Amino acid sequence: EIVLTQSPATLSLSPGERATLSCRASQSVSSYLAWYQQKPGQAPRLLIYDASNRATGIPARFSGSGSGTDFTLTISSLEPEDFAVYYCQQRSNWPPEDTFGQGTKLEIK
Amino acid sequence: EVQLVQSGAEVKKPGESLRISCKGSGYSFTSYWISWVRQMPGKGLEWMGRIDPSDSYTNYSPSFQGHVTISADKSISTAYLQWSSLKASDTAMYYCARVYYDSSGSNWFDPWGQGTLVTVSS
Repeated sequence: EIVLTQSPATLSLSPGERATLSCRASQSVSSYLAWYQQKPGQAPRLLIYDASNRATGIPARFSGSGSGTDFTLTISSLEPEDFAVYYCQQRSNWPPEDTFGQGTKLEIK
Repeated sequence: EVQLVQSGAEVKKPGESLRISCKGSGYSFTSYWISWVRQMPGKGLEWMGRIDPSDSYTNYSPSFQGHVTISADKSISTAYLQWSSLKASDTAMYYCARVYYDSSGSNWFDPWGQGTLVTVSS
């Protein structure tokens, strides 16, 4: 079973600042990692797939990087609507199961 | 527009059975897997299992195997998550999501349903 560990658990920043969120896998997942954003009372939304590809309609201030075991989600300049919880996710081939990280809460400082 | 629409909130008693649904539209329902994800109050996302609607083949997380059943009716583009005997600990929001998956290992969930809140209380 692959475990995804996100850090920090909570990140306190101000609008306009740069946010850097980390996701570390317990073994290599190549570049097959996705990121999701979840706002209170809403379903999660896909932001990034295959580590660095923005999903349709996602603003350019969101970017993903990394491969192997270490991945980063960067928000270049925070907008008020970006304060939310972010999850990383990957799928292992054997056993065939999906895993989510525990989440990083991005809050307004 | 590709979308998944889930059934409404449910309030049940312990020991009761329940089936919730997830209807896909705007795409070929049998071309993508559907996954179910649990979110307990104030907690993170937990993958429960997935189904291939074309043949109803399923995978379950070991944490949920034997506790829930995932099924699909491709004739009406609908996937289901069901319990035979609910417990208070099943109280949670449940999401379905369309799975993009290819043989290289690429895999992500998009879009997601709006969620179904299940409350189990005596």
